[in-house]
Order: sequence, then structure tokens, then C-alpha cells
Amino acid sequence: KAGVTQTPRYLIKTRGQQVTLSCSPISGHRSVSWYQQTPGQGLQFLFEYFSETQRNKGNFPGRFSGRQFSNSRSEMNVSTLELGDSALYLCASRAGDGNEQFFGPGTRLTVL
Amino acid sequence: GIQVEQSPPDLILQEGANSTLRCNFSDSVNNLQWFHQNPWGQLINLFYIPSGTKQNGRLSATTVATERYSLLYISSSQTTDSGVYFCAVYNAGNMLTFGGGTRLMVKP
Repeated sequence: KAGVTQTPRYLIKTRGQQVTLSCSPISGHRSVSWYQQTPGQGLQFLFEYFSETQRNKGNFPGRFSGRQFSNSRSEMNVSTLELGDSALYLCASRAGDGNEQFFGPGTRLTVL
Repeated sequence: GIQVEQSPPDLILQEGANSTLRCNFSDSVNNLQWFHQNPWGQLINLFYIPSGTKQNGRLSATTVATERYSLLYISSSQTTDSGVYFCAVYNAGNMLTFGGGTRLMVKP
């Protein structure tokens, strides 16, 4: 069974631009979560989607948004990029509540 | 929110040595996962362990939920064990709260 995939793997943007990251969960998994990893703040939860609905949201500004499609694939969008948005963005999927999460390889975003 | 603390923050071992990594959490949890982050950034699942003890080869983990801690044991360490080890807990909701990690370096 294929693992969680994320595209693109690397991205360079400039301040003020917007970016869209994509995540395809493990087949059959309906829950997709997004996390941000930075050297200063560590790993932080962004949001979780289940059956196309956002169920939980972390403490991030409204510039960070996401959505989930009917095939469980998810995208996250960051608008008006800031230097501090440079990070590794990780996507995880799980079959449902009470199951472990599996992570993708991440998208490394650099904002110049 | 829940706090997750890992110790030690850094650990240097000689190949073949054993080690114990600790994870303390400030509130009751529904479940707990241990991960190894490889040099390319991917989080590799090690254990999904709400309580009790599990073993997988040279690695084992024990969670004592009533005392709010979990331990990860690495025996006969190898250079390929190097990397960052994270503990993460499920508290309220379906999100993982991560500890700060333990950076392990195994020297040949």
C-alpha cells in the first residue's frame, strides 16, 4: 500500500506570494492533518480534515487555510507569505479516530 | 493545552550502547506515538502505544499513562539510529501534540 505523498517536495517563494501544497493520503484513510515544523517552534498542528470537513484547527492566522476533496486528497494554502512561514510542512493521514497517524515526506518551503 | 517534554534534548552514544529516552506529558492522553525523523525530514512511525510495553527488534517502548510518561529504549545502537526522536500525544480532539524531540547521534 502506497504511503502518504506530498507535492511539491521543495518550493521557493518570495514574500507576499501565495502557495498551495498538496497531500494524498494512504488509500482508505479519510482523515488528513497538516503540521508545520520550524527550528524555533518545533512541530505544530495546523488543521485536520475528515470527510471534506475541517474538524480541528491549530493556532495559526487566517492566512493558512486548507480543504479536502471527495477522494480524501487535501491541499493547504498560505496567502501573503512571510519570511517566518519558511518551514517543513508535513501531512499525515489516519484511517479514523483511534488509529495512528502516518506522515508524508513533507514539503520544504523557503520564503525569500 | 497539554505540555509534552522530552529528555534528554541531545544524546551522543558509541555504537553498541543502550539508551533510554523519556517523554513526560502534563495531562491524561488518549494515545501516544513515537517517531524517528530521518535526515530528510520524514517522520517514521516507531510505536503507537497508549499504555503497556511494545517491542520491535532493538527498540521497545513503555507507556505508564497513570503516571503520565513514556519511555523509548534503544538497545545495541547503530549509526543508522541517529536522528531526532519525537514523542507525540493525542489529548482532546484528533491532533497530535509533539514534544521537543531528542537528537541522537551514534558514533562508529
